[in-house]
Amino acid sequence: KQEVTQIPAALSVPEGENLVLNCSFTDSAIYNLQWFRQDPGKGLTSLLLIQSSQREQTSGRLNASLDKSSGRSTLYIAASQPGDSATYLCAVRPGGSQGNLIFGKGTKLSVKP
Amino acid sequence: DAGVIQSPRHEVTEMGQEVTLRCKPISGHDYLFWYRQTMMRGLELLIYFNNNVPIDDSGMPEDRFSAKMPNASFSTLKIQPSEPRDSAVYFCASRPGLNEQFFGPGTRLTVL
Repeated sequence: KQEVTQIPAALSVPEGENLVLNCSFTDSAIYNLQWFRQDPGKGLTSLLLIQSSQREQTSGRLNASLDKSSGRSTLYIAASQPGDSATYLCAVRPGGSQGNLIFGKGTKLSVKP
Repeated sequence: DAGVIQSPRHEVTEMGQEVTLRCKPISGHDYLFWYRQTMMRGLELLIYFNNNVPIDDSGMPEDRFSAKMPNASFSTLKIQPSEPRDSAVYFCASRPGLNEQFFGPGTRLTVL
């Protein structure tokens, strides 16, 4: 059974720091991996989607990498800003599955001015 | 596109009442998902549809929960009768094929 773990559960950094959020999954047979952002009381906003054949994806100050063989993904945020404060969730789609995303419990990021 | 639309955004009801949550997926998306989010359990998939057909409803907690998708632009999640433990945020999401998934803003349900 696929399980997704995100460590740490919470992270607090000063503004301007570069930071890395971690995601690990137990079964390397995935179709793709998606990173989301969730602001308090809001829905999930898709940040990046990495297909299983890809190593990384970039969008602005965000860079997500995927190492399928080791069951790991990282989300790199450059020059963090207070507006980046949110919960970041990682989700994998198991290979051969047309449906469900398996979610981690998220990392709550706080960027202090 | 307006994104995934959910209504109502907030619902407060009393135990035993029927609750109906509504979702309009993004046009052209052939997959639709219903999730529930709580502090204790995180995000849980309840049911998903492909081309309006329910594919996997193994996450539906019990017979009190039902979901329908009468056409490609509308789905409902119904709870009857509602119980306090059903209090959560319910999200609808849609997806084109096996690509990026998009979530609605959620419905915050409180059952007193």
